[in-house]
Amino acid sequence: GEDVEQSLFLSVREGDSSVINCTYTDSSSTYLYWYKQEPGAGLQLLTYIFSNMDMKQDQRLTVLLNKKDKHLSLRIADTQTGDSAIYFCAETGNNRKLIWGLGTSLAVNP
Amino acid sequence: NAGVTQTPKFRILKIGQSMTLQCAQDMNHNYMYWYRQDPGMGLKLIYYSVGAGITDKGEVPNGYNVSRSTTEDFPLRLELAAPSQTSVYFCASRDRGTGKDIQYFGAGTRLSVL
Repeated sequence: GEDVEQSLFLSVREGDSSVINCTYTDSSSTYLYWYKQEPGAGLQLLTYIFSNMDMKQDQRLTVLLNKKDKHLSLRIADTQTGDSAIYFCAETGNNRKLIWGLGTSLAVNP
Repeated sequence: NAGVTQTPKFRILKIGQSMTLQCAQDMNHNYMYWYRQDPGMGLKLIYYSVGAGITDKGEVPNGYNVSRSTTEDFPLRLELAAPSQTSVYFCASRDRGTGKDIQYFGAGTRLSVL
């Protein structure tokens, strides 16, 4: 069936780059997404990429998509303490419902 | 800029009580969704709607009901609340414009069933 997998935890030092990885199974996905959830808050769309692209850059965020390996990554340059949150990867599965990963908890240490 | 509004933000229920979680969006989106998020877990889809008068079950619909009488509102009803329904509930609406397909989320309702 459809599945999205992410590593659960990542810890980086302030100012370093963070790379959060995600693998998915549905090769027919049209869009792939990164959402951010801060403690006690809802989900905020960070960025998304159309499946015919292999890279998208938006300020400090870089998304890389490898369709052959079904691998999506989110790179955050110059990571700040305000970037500490849970990051969810999601893809559009069958019937256009979103399939979600379990989230990667990013801890940024001063 | 209201977006997706959920009420209440917090609620404590006793086992067997009922309640309705409210969700409203002002973006004229046809698609709306209800998810639950358990601690340390991702999102599970409870119900969704593709337009007024049309609803369908998601992965975990048991113990819940929905209705969609207007484009704006998509309430979620819990009948006979159980401790297993303790969770954070998120409502979302979906923008399927040209070249995009994005879900926007409300701030969530934190529900405890004791």
